[in-house]
Amino acid sequence: AQSVTQPDIHITVSEGASLELRCNYSYGATPYLFWYVQSPGQGLQLLLKYFSGDTLVQGIKGFEAEFKRSQSSFNLRKPSVHWSDAAEYFCAVGENTGFQKLVFGTGTRLLVSP
Amino acid sequence: DAMVIQNPRYQVTQFGKPVTLSCSQTLNHNVMYWYQQKSSQAPKLLFHYYDKDFNNEADTPDNFQSRRPNTSFCFLDIRSPGLGDAAMYLCATSRRTAQETQYFGPGTRLLVL
Repeated sequence: AQSVTQPDIHITVSEGASLELRCNYSYGATPYLFWYVQSPGQGLQLLLKYFSGDTLVQGIKGFEAEFKRSQSSFNLRKPSVHWSDAAEYFCAVGENTGFQKLVFGTGTRLLVSP
Repeated sequence: DAMVIQNPRYQVTQFGKPVTLSCSQTLNHNVMYWYQQKSSQAPKLLFHYYDKDFNNEADTPDNFQSRRPNTSFCFLDIRSPGLGDAAMYLCATSRRTAQETQYFGPGTRLLVL
């Protein structure tokens, strides 16, 4: 069965600094990979997704992620963090079972300091 | 402009008292999902509908049921809520292919007293 590991439970970054959130997955075939963001009390918003092709994926709000098959990783990056980026970030792998079954990691909570 | 709508946003119920959560969508997607997200945990898929076909996850308790009367609406029924069922319940929709994005609603936070 597939699984997703987000090793960092909390990360604090200064506003304007760069950000990298780690995600490792376990999946037998070529994975479909996603990053979602969840603000407090809100649902999940898709930041970006990878299905195939270029391993560097651009998303919304200035985020990007890089798929590295050799490392089974799909880390999320942003060059300059804004205070509004403070939220919970979930990495997910999609299992192609005829519909898109998502398995989520446990999330990383991002705090942005002034 | 709302695409996936969940009502109510907050629901308080009593231990053992049946409760129904509602989800509607304006995307005309044929797949609708219900997730349970407990505090500080990842969302966990309970079940999904492909059109009217209901698909239950193997580890979803029998206490959780769902109805989908038409394409736009889907309901989550908790027959006898326990304290452990307090959580955020997220509804999502997508088209029926693995490469389609799931669109999530804002969630309903359920409190069980």
